[in-house]
Amino acid sequence: NAGVTQTPKFQVLKTGQSMTLQCAQDMNHEYMSWYRQDPGMGLRLIHYSVGAGITDQGEVPNGYNVSRSTTEDFPLRLLSAAPSQTSVYFCASSYLGPNSYEQYFGPGTRLTVT
Amino acid sequence: GENVEQHPSTLSVQEGDSAVIKCTYSDSASNYFPWYKQELGKRPQLIIDIRSNVGEKKDQRIAVTLNKTAKHFSLHITETQPEDSAVYFCAAPTGTSYGKLTFGQGTILTVHP
Repeated sequence: NAGVTQTPKFQVLKTGQSMTLQCAQDMNHEYMSWYRQDPGMGLRLIHYSVGAGITDQGEVPNGYNVSRSTTEDFPLRLLSAAPSQTSVYFCASSYLGPNSYEQYFGPGTRLTVT
Repeated sequence: GENVEQHPSTLSVQEGDSAVIKCTYSDSASNYFPWYKQELGKRPQLIIDIRSNVGEKKDQRIAVTLNKTAKHFSLHITETQPEDSAVYFCAAPTGTSYGKLTFGQGTILTVHP
């Protein structure tokens, strides 16, 4: 199993550009999520999904869109990039259920917006 | 929603010493408390977790303790080694969605040889 994969690993954007960060998992996990990681602020939840066709906002959703058309894929779209979106982005997945919380993280995407 | 506070933000110890990181949470209904380790440039990975029906859990040199009355839980690392140097995050469930976690701000642990 590849686990959770993310592409690209690095990306530089100019202010106002749009792009999509890709995330895929091959563990048949129902739950998928996107976090951003900034120094001193931990991991903050952007959007999450509990299954195909279902998405919801997390703590910091503004400027980002997501969709979940399949169980495997959960892309994150930046609509109009801003310097404040410079961050490291992690996708994560897990099983759902009362005894299943372990999040499996992807390798991350380092995004710089100039 | 859940609020998780983590302290200290940085921790420096000598090899062989113990390290303790503490987290507090706000939602008394929370019942699962994981700890993740993130090495430099790598992804976070689960190292230990505890559920609310136990007060302590150990795995070799690491342990987690939980005080539900006071709503805090702690990570204990004994006999620290340089390879323990990393950022450590605590977390607690948020809301009713089983998968959703709120993370603490992280602790940068440095173990000096």
